[in-house]
Amino acid sequence: EDQVTQSPEALRLQEGESSSLNCSYTVSGLRGLFWYRQDPGKGPEFLFTLYSAGEEKEKERLKATLTKKESFLHITAPKPEDSATYLCAVQLYGSSNTGKLIFGQGTTLQVKP
Amino acid sequence: DVKVTQSSRYLVKRTGEKVFLECVQDMDHENMFWYRQDPGLGLRLIYFSYDVKMKEKGDIPEGYSVSREKKERFSLILESASTNQTSMYLCASSFQGAGTQYFGPGTRLLVL
Repeated sequence: EDQVTQSPEALRLQEGESSSLNCSYTVSGLRGLFWYRQDPGKGPEFLFTLYSAGEEKEKERLKATLTKKESFLHITAPKPEDSATYLCAVQLYGSSNTGKLIFGQGTTLQVKP
Repeated sequence: DVKVTQSSRYLVKRTGEKVFLECVQDMDHENMFWYRQDPGLGLRLIYFSYDVKMKEKGDIPEGYSVSREKKERFSLILESASTNQTSMYLCASSFQGAGTQYFGPGTRLLVL
């Protein structure tokens, strides 16, 4: 069964304390991996797409990386405004026409000042 | 700028009522999706549509139906609302062949 697992479920950091969020996947054929940020009471906001192992994408304090089994979202020197739930999703080759994604459960990040 | 709008941010309905949730996108996307999000359960796909008048069941279609008469509009219908349908409902859209989905702001539905 195709599956996406995110860890940890929740993460508390002090401002400036760098860390990583993990997204591991067991799927039949990965077409792309997506990271989203979701603020409380709002819809997810697209961050990154990764397509092949070794690929990296950066945006401000966030860097996403991809291997054949997992992806990491590295947060460097986080600020309180980085507090949110981060969602990982994968698209399979069989879903390329429909655009269907399989989502992980998310990691809720809290950054304290 | 990418825009997905949902008809209501908050909705309170009574058990047994028929409920319509509407989603509109202005990006000419072929694919549209309805999810519900509950604490501890993550995002669960209810229905999706990859073309006008086309629809496919997602992982939890029971108790729901959908309508897509125009490319930009995708409606979710709760035929007879029940308390276990209290949830956050999220609409999303994407281009055919592309995985990136763009989400609306969500509708928080409370069924009493």
